Formats: sequence, C-alpha cells, structure tokens
Amino acid sequence: DGGITQSPKYLFRKEGQNVTLSCEQNLNHDAMYWYRQDPGQGLRLIYYSQIVNDFQKGDIAEGYSVSREKKESFPLTVTSAQKNPTAFYLCASNFGGPNTGELFFGEGSRLTVL
Amino acid sequence: QQQVKQSPQSLIVQKGGISIINCAYENTAFDYFPWYQQFPGKGPALLIAIRPDVSEKKEGRFTISFNKSAKQFSLHIMDSQPGDSATYFCAASYNNDMRFGAGTRLTVKP
Repeated sequence: DGGITQSPKYLFRKEGQNVTLSCEQNLNHDAMYWYRQDPGQGLRLIYYSQIVNDFQKGDIAEGYSVSREKKESFPLTVTSAQKNPTAFYLCASNFGGPNTGELFFGEGSRLTVL
Repeated sequence: QQQVKQSPQSLIVQKGGISIINCAYENTAFDYFPWYQQFPGKGPALLIAIRPDVSEKKEGRFTISFNKSAKQFSLHIMDSQPGDSATYFCAASYNNDMRFGAGTRLTVKP
C-alpha cells in the first residue's frame, strides 16, 4: 500500500540533545513537507522540499534541519537550538508544483522533551 | 500573521444535527481550499476541497460553501454522527503554499 511512514511514533528527549524524525514515502511524490502541530495553532510549516537535494525554510525553521538525499526520504532533525521542541510533528507529500492540491500526511511523531 | 482564520475553536453538536465550521482568508491569490479531518494521534486526511470557480461542493453529508467576495468558506456536516467527532482544519493554498486554520474540535453527542 502506498503511503507515508513516520517513525518513531513517540520519542522522548532530554534537553540539549538532537533528535531525528524519519519520514519515508512510496507515493512517488516529488514534494515533501514537515509541519509542527501545537494545540490551538493549527499546522505550521517547518521545511519543505520540491526536489531531491533541494529544500526551503518554512515559517518556523529555526532550530530544525533537514536533508533530501533520496526522493523517498525527508528526515527532520530537531536540534538543541529549538527552544520549545515538545510538539506533534507531521510529514506530508504531494506531486509539487502549482495547482497540485491535496497533501498526504503521515501519522505523525510526538516528541516530548523531558 | 495568520492568513486563515477558523472558528469556532470547539463545537458540540447532537447526533443528527448540523455542524458548521467557518473560515476566512486574506490572500486573494489562494486558489485551492481543502478541509482536513484529523482523529486523535493520527495525521490529517483530506475530507473535501473546492476551487474558487464554484460556490458550493457537496460530497455525501459534507458540503463546502464558498463566498469569494467575502473571502470566506465554510464546512457543513449534515446529520452529524458520533464518528464525525474529530478536529477539522480548513486550509488555503496558492502555488503549493498551503496555509492552515487553527482547527475546530468537533464533538457529536449520541
């Protein structure tokens, strides 16, 4: 079945540690996205990538980093520089380009900083 | 600044009633308006979407009403069911840049 797989589903981190969230898709989509979800704030864009080896900052990129070495994979690293990293992180993908429409989401990763 | 404003933040409806969620946007360049449904612990999934060349779109019990001049659109859920209890997000997109509302938590009481 085609879809987006995020791992881990739950992650606990101590302050000062970096952590990497995995996102893999087998939908043959060109574009991939990372969103952060906090209660009452909707979804905010962290980073996005339209093609392999290229990515752009979203609205809240500070304290995060990404890579796009393969079309199928778009991992997100939450660095120690992120002041308030506890959140629900969602990866999404679509075919990219104008008038693309629907975003397909993974099931999310919940990060808790202890 | 929030480009898509959604209300209400939470909504409680009796089974069989109509649920109405409203959104307003600012950027007139937006050309795609989806609604996403999210269950707890899951990612959002597309429910229904509309483009600005039509004023209404209906899929089963779900209807989007779109008012281009007022820059507003709304989701109507007819005959609401307990299984509809979820968080609903409106969004607006232009050139693959999608902006989300803050979400509405819908509870349908049996």
